[in-house]
Amino acid sequence: LAKTTQPISMDSYEGQEVNITCSHNNIATNDYITWYQQFPSQGPRFIIQGYKTKVTNEVASLFIPADRKSSTLSLPRVSLSDTAVYYCLVGDRADYKLSFGAGTTVTVRA
Amino acid sequence: EAQVTQNPRYLITVTGKKLTVTCSQNMNHEYMSWYRQDPGLGLRQIYYSMNVEVTDKGDVPEGYKVSRKEKRNFPLILESPSPNQTSLYFCASSFRQGSSYEQYFGPGTRLTVT
Repeated sequence: LAKTTQPISMDSYEGQEVNITCSHNNIATNDYITWYQQFPSQGPRFIIQGYKTKVTNEVASLFIPADRKSSTLSLPRVSLSDTAVYYCLVGDRADYKLSFGAGTTVTVRA
Repeated sequence: EAQVTQNPRYLITVTGKKLTVTCSQNMNHEYMSWYRQDPGLGLRQIYYSMNVEVTDKGDVPEGYKVSRKEKRNFPLILESPSPNQTSLYFCASSFRQGSSYEQYFGPGTRLTVT
């Protein structure tokens, strides 16, 4: 499993774009990058997954540079309800031993 | 509705009293897993199962047992709970092929061992 490093916390205001960068210098060829969101006292929820370049869905965008040693989760125009912990995971999608780090606590203020 | 259910949601027990936390999914997922979450430590994997009768250890298996006799159920067993097993526990499931990272999580079980 590739080790990941992400900021412990980030603050933002409603309506702003939030970008969370995850470093994964030892990412392997078969590894994918996956992000989860967790609200207090709830289980994590899958947000987005990508391998290279850019992936976008109704919730977020994921930007992955050509060297794949980092990735950035972008949350457009956040609201108070986006306050949560965001986890970056990197690994082969056939892996079954998953590792969640401490994640990034994003706090959105009015 | 597709979901992962856990029972009980809250449990307070005493040291040494055997307990079982049940987990059930209705999505026909092959893969199921148990995690514990402690402040500042994120989620740590306890055990996982790739299919019926196939289980393996995660990062923190000590003090826990699991079984997978049916595809939909994956109970977590604490034979002799201790206070250091006080934690928030999550069960998760996913399809096996190519999407083990797209997991569906249950609502969590908050366990307190006194």
